[in-house]
Amino acid sequence: GAGVSQSPSNKVTEKGKDVELRCDPISGHTALYWYRQSLGQGLEFLIYFQGNSAPDKSGLPSDRFSAERTGGSVSTLTIQRTQQEDSAVYLCASSPMGGNTEAFFGQGTRLTVV
Amino acid sequence: QQQVKQSPQSLIVQKGGISIINCAYENTAFDYFPWYQQFPGKGPALLIAIRPDVSEKKEGRFTISFNKSAKQFSLHIMDSQPGDSATYFCAASKQVSEGGKLIFGQGTELSVKP
Repeated sequence: GAGVSQSPSNKVTEKGKDVELRCDPISGHTALYWYRQSLGQGLEFLIYFQGNSAPDKSGLPSDRFSAERTGGSVSTLTIQRTQQEDSAVYLCASSPMGGNTEAFFGQGTRLTVV
Repeated sequence: QQQVKQSPQSLIVQKGGISIINCAYENTAFDYFPWYQQFPGKGPALLIAIRPDVSEKKEGRFTISFNKSAKQFSLHIMDSQPGDSATYFCAASKQVSEGGKLIFGQGTELSVKP
């Protein structure tokens, strides 16, 4: 596809369960970002991958959150032992080179923890 | 200080009117200031962006005004149309030093009445 693809589009999980959210960036984009958008809130930066460099994890809210990017392409955001406050839309974005280039967003995964 | 403050939270404008959304930032190291438009159920999409070496940028009906000394920037939508009804986010980033990770404002929900 031409755009950033995220799956699933919606996820309902029980409190305490682990979830994995997937992001397929635009082909050739070296930079990949995860953001979180909570109801009525702005977008909050979570983590940034650039090529083979160590990721910038400065936005991850707790050690229950982790992300990896395999082969410089697909990324998975994992939330362990989910809590109700984790309910949000998780957005992935990619850009050709990171700094100085436009970030393109996927449609997001809406996570609901019940 | 990483915060970007955006106002108003919501805005109602008549068709043909001018919509104005304002943002303020603290960190003078920011070097890229984009505006994103988000429709319900969609990811944000870049609308227009500016760098601090210019005071204004215009693309069609959309204009960014940038005041470096005041650390403020604003989005003006001329001849507002019902199709412009969406949530608008300002953002700021340090493109080179932090790879373009975006710090977002809280968003403005714009409604353009026919």
